[in-house]
Amino acid sequence: DAGITQSPRHKVTETGTPVTLRCHQTENHRYMYWYRQDPGHGLRLIHYSYGVKDTDKGEVSDGYSVSRSKTEDFLLTLESATSSQTSVYFCAISHSGQNTGELFFGEGSRLTVL
Amino acid sequence: DAKTTQPNSMESNEEEPVHLPCNHSTISGTDYIHWYRQLPSQGPEYVIHGLTSNVNNRMASLAIAEDRKSSTLILHRATLRDAAVYYCILRNNSGGSNYKLTFGKGTLLTVNP
Repeated sequence: DAGITQSPRHKVTETGTPVTLRCHQTENHRYMYWYRQDPGHGLRLIHYSYGVKDTDKGEVSDGYSVSRSKTEDFLLTLESATSSQTSVYFCAISHSGQNTGELFFGEGSRLTVL
Repeated sequence: DAKTTQPNSMESNEEEPVHLPCNHSTISGTDYIHWYRQLPSQGPEYVIHGLTSNVNNRMASLAIAEDRKSSTLILHRATLRDAAVYYCILRNNSGGSNYKLTFGKGTLLTVNP
């Protein structure tokens, strides 16, 4: 199994509070991704990183920010959580950005915003 | 991005072959066809990918139509552990979008004992 650890795995928080989800990898892969998964929407890309300090937006980036200060960690921050951000969040990594590269996913972080 | 169309759900019996179809009529010449699956309460996992030729690996086979407008993921002998949502995804190198995968809603495969 790819060495990907997401933390926390479960979190309940209140509207308006900041939340940070952490993705940690031990594979030294260059590319890292944050997805969210909601019923009826499937997996949607929030942000991705193609190197240390190199990040870009995905299709549902509003309300989220990311940081990658070192290869192994990719942080997803909700500055002020809203109920619409209740979701399961998946981190993924890939050694290649080429169209043949496969993504390896973490086990997910379930976030509930009350 | 070129889109894919998959049936919402399919059913199979244990130890029988399963053919999961995917239509991608707007596929471009540089698009690779990727398949992922997601078991209950887990993250997606890579299954297989191909460009033009049929591909086999330990998990499955991928049959690609000659015109590349459709493909079929083949599970040779379904097991209960194969019950999952299967995603067919196109990935290419154009326009800086090569880094990411765009998931559709996939096909929910149910395997009956």
